[in-house]
Amino acid sequence: DAKTTQPPSMDCAEGRAANLPCNHSTISGNEYVYWYRQIHSQGPQYIIHGLKNNETNEMASLIITEDRKSSTLILPHATLRDTAVYYCIVRVGSGGSNYKLTFGKGTLLTVNP
Amino acid sequence: GAGVSQSPSNKVTEKGKDVELRCDPISGHTALYWYRQSLGQGLEFLIYFQGNSAPDKSGLPSDRFSAERTGGSVSTLTIQRTQQEDSAVYLCASSLYGGGTDTQYFGPGTRLTVL
Repeated sequence: DAKTTQPPSMDCAEGRAANLPCNHSTISGNEYVYWYRQIHSQGPQYIIHGLKNNETNEMASLIITEDRKSSTLILPHATLRDTAVYYCIVRVGSGGSNYKLTFGKGTLLTVNP
Repeated sequence: GAGVSQSPSNKVTEKGKDVELRCDPISGHTALYWYRQSLGQGLEFLIYFQGNSAPDKSGLPSDRFSAERTGGSVSTLTIQRTQQEDSAVYLCASSLYGGGTDTQYFGPGTRLTVL
């Protein structure tokens, strides 16, 4: 799977949008971009994933650049409970042992009151 | 609906004792995964179940570790003769079909401390 690069930490004011970037310049055509987060002392939580098109669900939006080399996770109205480590990962669509999830160091998002 | 549940949430044991960790996947999910996460470390894959079979046990660290799944549902991870290096958070995840880009949903984890 392609590697991803994320900033180690970010701050965001409560109620504002949090925009978390991720670089995946070596992504292949059949690889999906996934986002998970892990709040302190909890299990990882799935947020969203996408292949080429932008995606939105009740938690967040995922914007993928046209060349697919980077993406941005957007939390539209961050709350204190969104403080967590956010992981961007790339997963191949099929074959091999693509079910084995591996997380990098992620981005620690701190939402401030 | 109910998510993945794990029990116990915390387990403190003495070195040399056996422990059993339980995972209840999301109803209807055929695939189940065990991972562990040591303090400040990333995810370490342990084992993957498809139904009651485990096609991939490659991540189990030693023969002290075993896992089973019954009825295509509940799974138990057993660690025999625990060692201090087994201390970690043990995470279970489930997904609908397994493989592909099937989304994995995680439980809250079991924090194991071996004294």
